[in-house]
Amino acid sequence: EVQLVQSGAEVKKPGESLKISCKGSGYSFTSYWIGWVRQMPGKGLEWMGIIYPGDSDTRYSPSFQGQVTISADKSISTAYLQWSSLKASDTAMYYCARRSTLGAAADYWGQGTLVTVSS
Amino acid sequence: EIVLTQSPGTLSLSPGERATLSCRASQSVSSSYLAWYQQKPGQAPRLLIYGASSRATGIPDRFSGSGSGTDFTLTISRLEPEDFAVYYCQQYGSSPPETFGQGTKLEIK
Repeated sequence: EVQLVQSGAEVKKPGESLKISCKGSGYSFTSYWIGWVRQMPGKGLEWMGIIYPGDSDTRYSPSFQGQVTISADKSISTAYLQWSSLKASDTAMYYCARRSTLGAAADYWGQGTLVTVSS
Repeated sequence: EIVLTQSPGTLSLSPGERATLSCRASQSVSSSYLAWYQQKPGQAPRLLIYGASSRATGIPDRFSGSGSGTDFTLTISRLEPEDFAVYYCQQYGSSPPETFGQGTKLEIK
């Protein structure tokens, strides 16, 4: 069974750093792109970027380039999303999702990680 | 960047009715790379349709997708109570990778 399991909710202060994770299982982790999606409170889905764990090829949406870093450790089948200096506007739910070979759709999703940034 | 515009923003219908949701792209999208998702409150999105018209595994046949070029449609033939949710279209392009529409909320009338 394919599963993406994300790390737990985080409460941080502005200016702090953070790294959240997404562990894949039940499939060949290195053979599928993993993307990250932001959903701000009460808002829609925003694609942040994507990584191919097989060779760490990473691509960012323009709105998120330079704001976050996406990485992966294929030895433990885990993808990461990190911030060096959080802002209150980073408060959101973050989902990881596997990009299928079927039309590049996101066929499996993590359960989401809620990040709250507040002073 | 390809912008996807979904309409209507909110659709109010009753169970048993037919729902038609629209997704319009700012430039042509390959039909192979247009998907639809359903999201219920407190849940992650769920893939419904990929390749514009192919149902994902386990999706009931009351859900269907159609369209090409810049105009795509998600149709739910007869609404069940569990279908009331927010629906998003998504396209895959060469760069940036993916964009979503802003969503259509399907609510009970």
